[in-house]
Amino acid sequence: EPEVTQTPSHQVTQMGQEVILRCVPISNHLYFYWYRQILGQKVEFLVSFYNNEISEKSEIFDDQFSVERPDGSNFTLKIRSTKLEDSAMYFCASRAGTSGRGVTYEQYFGPGTRLTVT
Amino acid sequence: QKEVEQNSGPLSVPEGAIASLNCTYSDRVSQSFFWYRQYSGKSPELIMSIYSNGDKEDGRFTAQLNKASQYVSLLIRDSQPSDSATYLCAVNKPGNQFYFGTGTSLTVIP
Repeated sequence: EPEVTQTPSHQVTQMGQEVILRCVPISNHLYFYWYRQILGQKVEFLVSFYNNEISEKSEIFDDQFSVERPDGSNFTLKIRSTKLEDSAMYFCASRAGTSGRGVTYEQYFGPGTRLTVT
Repeated sequence: QKEVEQNSGPLSVPEGAIASLNCTYSDRVSQSFFWYRQYSGKSPELIMSIYSNGDKEDGRFTAQLNKASQYVSLLIRDSQPSDSATYLCAVNKPGNQFYFGTGTSLTVIP
């Protein structure tokens, strides 16, 4: 069964450094998302991406963050100048957009990247 | 006001019983609703989606939606110890942004 993959599974970085989190969405999916989950807290929406551009972003997704789909398979989240409070699990998700029954909004999550900022 | 609210629990039920999980949402324009299961340290796993008022059944799971009351629920019949997890309610508003609740922790006691 197709699945969303993410690399690395764990990233440790020093405060102020830049990190790139990578995701490979399900191959025929059209919509891509990044979420974060701080330990013990809820899953928070960061950004959605469709047709090679951002379609929605939350207040969390400020100038420190950027997303890119550099080729036909990868979807990346870049965090510039990381802060201690960026430590969290970052999840990528994708959805098809349409199915045989019409528009579908079901999102499928990758396993996540645990980002630790020291 | 929170977009999605859930009782954090913990909710404990004996094996074989029905577990009932509830969720309310604040924005009437919310259009699609989801239940995810999240085991500790893992990613959310989609269980059910529901888009229109009423019940939707899939195996041991039944999702219920009442848009007038802005209420979504999930029933798990014949609960198993493997159902022990945190259950996340999520909603989608027009556009492409999704909101999650804080989750309800469920423990099924053998």
